[in-house]
Amino acid sequence: AQTVTQSQPEMSVQEAETVTLSCTYDTSESDYYLFWYKQPPSRQMILVIRQEAYKQQNATENRFSVNFQKAAKSFSLKISDSQLGDAAMYFCAYRIGSNYQLIWGAGTKLIIKP
Amino acid sequence: ETGVTQTPRHLVMGMTNKKSLKCEQHLGHNAMYWYKQSAKKPLELMFVYNFKEQTENNSVPSRFSPECPNSSHLFLHLHTLQPEDSALYLCASSQVEVAADTQYFGPGTRLTVL
Repeated sequence: AQTVTQSQPEMSVQEAETVTLSCTYDTSESDYYLFWYKQPPSRQMILVIRQEAYKQQNATENRFSVNFQKAAKSFSLKISDSQLGDAAMYFCAYRIGSNYQLIWGAGTKLIIKP
Repeated sequence: ETGVTQTPRHLVMGMTNKKSLKCEQHLGHNAMYWYKQSAKKPLELMFVYNFKEQTENNSVPSRFSPECPNSSHLFLHLHTLQPEDSALYLCASSQVEVAADTQYFGPGTRLTVL
C-alpha cells in the first residue's frame, strides 16, 4: 500500500531554534518525487521543498532542508532559525513517476513560541 | 488575479440544495485537481483533469459532479450532499510535462452541510 506517515501530530519550537518534522513513506517504486507543503492558517497550501528520489543530495531552500534517507524511506524536514511566520500545518507527500496523484500524510501542526 | 482562485470561500447548504464551487487558475497550467480536506486526515484526491479530460476519479460519490470547460476553469457541482461532506475543498493546478511538477493550490472553499 502506498502510504505516508507523519508521526508527530503537533510540534512546538522556540523562535530562532531549529525543528525537525518527520515523514516516512511506503512505496516499491524507484522513480518518485517527494514534497513538503505548508498550509498557514489562511489555508493557502504552498510548496516548501521537493526532492527527486534519484538525487542523493538533500534539497535545500534557504532555512528549509531535508534529510532524505531512501533506504529507510524517510524524508524529514528541518527548519532552521524558526520564525513566527513558519507556524502552519506541514504536509509530506510523494508522487510516483508520471502519476498525477500525490499521496499525502495527515500533517504536523507546527507552533512557534515567541 | 494571480495563482489559483476559488469561489466562494465559505458555503453553507442544506442537504437538498444544489450549489457549485468554482476554481480558476491563472498560471497557464494544463492539469487541475479537486481535493477534499478533513481535519486530521490526509488530503483526498477527488478528480483530476489533464488537458480538460478527466483522468482520475477516485470513487467519488455521484453527488459530486466535476466540470472542466477549459484548461483554466474547474467546477464542482454539488447536490443532495450529506453532513459528512462538510470539509475544506481545495483546487490545485500543475503543468504535467514538468518533471516533479508542483501543484499550486487555491485558498479553498469551506463547505458546511446542514
